[in-house]
Amino acid sequence: LQLQESGPGLVKPSETLSLTCIVSVDSVSSRSYYWGWIRQPPGKGLEWIATIYYGGRTYYNPSLRSRVTISLDTSKNQFSLKVSSVTAADTAVYYCGRVQEYSGSSANFDDWGQGTLVTVSS
Amino acid sequence: QLAVTQSPSASASLGASVKLTCSLSGGPSDYAIAWHQQQPEKGLRYLMKFNRDGSLNRGDGIPDRFSGSSSGAERYLTISSLQPEDETDYYCETWGTGIHVFGGGTKLTVL
Repeated sequence: LQLQESGPGLVKPSETLSLTCIVSVDSVSSRSYYWGWIRQPPGKGLEWIATIYYGGRTYYNPSLRSRVTISLDTSKNQFSLKVSSVTAADTAVYYCGRVQEYSGSSANFDDWGQGTLVTVSS
Repeated sequence: QLAVTQSPSASASLGASVKLTCSLSGGPSDYAIAWHQQQPEKGLRYLMKFNRDGSLNRGDGIPDRFSGSSSGAERYLTISSLQPEDETDYYCETWGTGIHVFGGGTKLTVL
């Protein structure tokens, strides 16, 4: 696996969830890829959260935009996700992924981390 | 609004073939999609991308018994020679400018 998520597995309600994805093979500065996050609540389907491209271009799910920040750290070859004001509804397995670049825009996810479960509970 | 819809469940016998469906709406009928497999205890696995021109790009190490096709706004994932380990959830994904949309997933049962 070239993508590895890290971060706390338990976050208290109203606090900020912070996750990092360490990329071990590709460079996050590559023009060939975007980088993104999705999540999967227990027993449910996949929900796209956010995507970022080298140079700082970011895209957010409109339903989460007000609470989410995605960022890139080229010096550490990693990217991060912050979700503020979390509630129990943010409990999910969070996956980081690599996204293909195509014709100047993002295409599909084509590589995944193994996922990390984040539980929101007091 | 771009959306993809999948049947919640499908089943087929061991060694047989099954075709899973992903239906597009809210965008051009020739949209590209990708298929992903949920691997129990391992997370997600990218299977393939079905391009707008009908060509297919499989992920690394994906056997050719996994294939893709389309008809109008429908996209299909066909799995042939079904194995016990194929019993899991499958998700389709489409995308627009800066957005990604996933289907609700199809749970495949191998009988």
